Amino acid sequence: LAKTTQPISMDSYEGQEVNITCSHNNIATNDYITWYQQFPSQGPRFIIQGYKTKVTNEVASLFIPADRKSSTLSLPRVSLSDTAVYYCLVGDIMNSGYSTLTFGKGTMLLVSP
Amino acid sequence: ETGVTQTPRHLVMGMTNKKSLKCEQHLGHNAMYWYKQSAKKPLELMFVYSLEERVENNSVPSRFSPECPNSSHLFLHLHTLQPEDSALYLCASSHAGGPGTDTQYFGPGTRLTVL
Repeated sequence: LAKTTQPISMDSYEGQEVNITCSHNNIATNDYITWYQQFPSQGPRFIIQGYKTKVTNEVASLFIPADRKSSTLSLPRVSLSDTAVYYCLVGDIMNSGYSTLTFGKGTMLLVSP
Repeated sequence: ETGVTQTPRHLVMGMTNKKSLKCEQHLGHNAMYWYKQSAKKPLELMFVYSLEERVENNSVPSRFSPECPNSSHLFLHLHTLQPEDSALYLCASSHAGGPGTDTQYFGPGTRLTVL
C-alpha cells in the first residue's frame, strides 16, 4: 500500500497560487493519485485525479514527475472559499482492493485576505 | 449538491438506543461506502458495497450494522453505541471499476453524538 505524506498546514493570501505536495515513495505501478477537498462538517469533494505527467481541469492542476514518487496539486489564484483540508489519496481498487482507500490527515490550507 | 443525501444530518442518542442512518444516491452508481470521521482524525473506511454485496468490512464493531437493499440506498444501523462512537458519519458512492480509487461522491454526513 502506498502511504502518503503531506504538510499538515499551509497559509496563503487571496489571489496567490498555492502548491500542495504529496509524497508517496511506495506508489505501485497501477496506483492513481487523487485529490479531495473537505470543508468543515461536510463530505470530501473530488478535485482531480491523475496517473502521470500533468492533468488540468477547471479547478486545479496536478503535476506528477516521471518517477511518480510525489505529486503537486496546484490551485491558481486562491480565494477565501478555498480554505479547506486537502487530501491526497493514492491507490488502485482493482489491484489492491478497497483497503487502498486510505485518507491521511490532509493539508489544512488557510487563505487570508 | 443533491447527488448523495444523508438523513438525519444530526443525531443524539443514548447508549441503549437503536437508530439508523440513511444514505441515498441519485447518480446511478453501483458502489456505496460508509466512512467514520472522528475529531482531528483521518477518515476511516467502515463498509463498502459493490453491486449490493458487501465487499469490505474494516474490522468494525458489530454494534454497527450496514444494509444495502438496492444500489441507491444504504443504511447504517446503530445499537448500544459508546461515547467514543460520536463522529461524523459519511456516505459516498462511486461507479465501481474505474481507474485508481474510483471517483467518490460524498454526502453531507450525519453528525452523531452518543451520550
